[in-house]
Amino acid sequence: NAGVTQTPKFQVLKTGQSMTLQCAQDMNHEYMSWYRQDPGMGLRLIHYSVGAGITDQGEVPNGYNVSRSTTEDFPLRLLSAAPSQTSVYFCAAGGRYNSPLHFGNGTRLTVT
Amino acid sequence: AQSVTQLDSQVPVFEEAPVELRCNYSSSVSVYLFWYVQYPNQGLQLLLKYLSGSTLVESINGFEAEFNKSQTSFHLRKPSVHISDTAEYFCAVTYTGTASKLTFGTGTRLQVTL
Repeated sequence: NAGVTQTPKFQVLKTGQSMTLQCAQDMNHEYMSWYRQDPGMGLRLIHYSVGAGITDQGEVPNGYNVSRSTTEDFPLRLLSAAPSQTSVYFCAAGGRYNSPLHFGNGTRLTVT
Repeated sequence: AQSVTQLDSQVPVFEEAPVELRCNYSSSVSVYLFWYVQYPNQGLQLLLKYLSGSTLVESINGFEAEFNKSQTSFHLRKPSVHISDTAEYFCAVTYTGTASKLTFGTGTRLQVTL
């Protein structure tokens, strides 16, 4: 069972470059979200989606865009990378309301 | 705003000793509480959850957590830890109607040694 798949696993960008982090799920879950993990800060919610065509901002949305054209995919776009966006990014998928989230294995991004 | 506090950033413990990882949350309404575990270079995995009913919940690998509404706590315990329990543990909370939008604590690194 694939669950939640994130690509790439590692990425190095230069300041100002753009890129898209991919996330795909095969569990037909309505809810998907993006978190970033930084030392000593836990996981912070960037954007989330409660279904295809519906997205909303989380705690730290600045500098990131998302779209949800299908149930399966939820890409995260960095329009102009900054060193402050160096982090580990996790995508998650889950059922509605209070069911547990299933996480991908993360993308480690370094911006120089 | 909802928040979760994990008071201990690191907890060193010897194998076969008991351990408690503390978690407190802020709330004035119903809550749903979770513990997730993260092994090195992996994503988070659900360890256990409290949604309703019995305040004591257990996982399949010997961990348990007790929901204490009066103290707004959801501490994680294990009576005897193993080397393989070495990992980072995250407490998380969500509230009714927030569609699985979790707020995480800052994590506790459990280091088990011989």
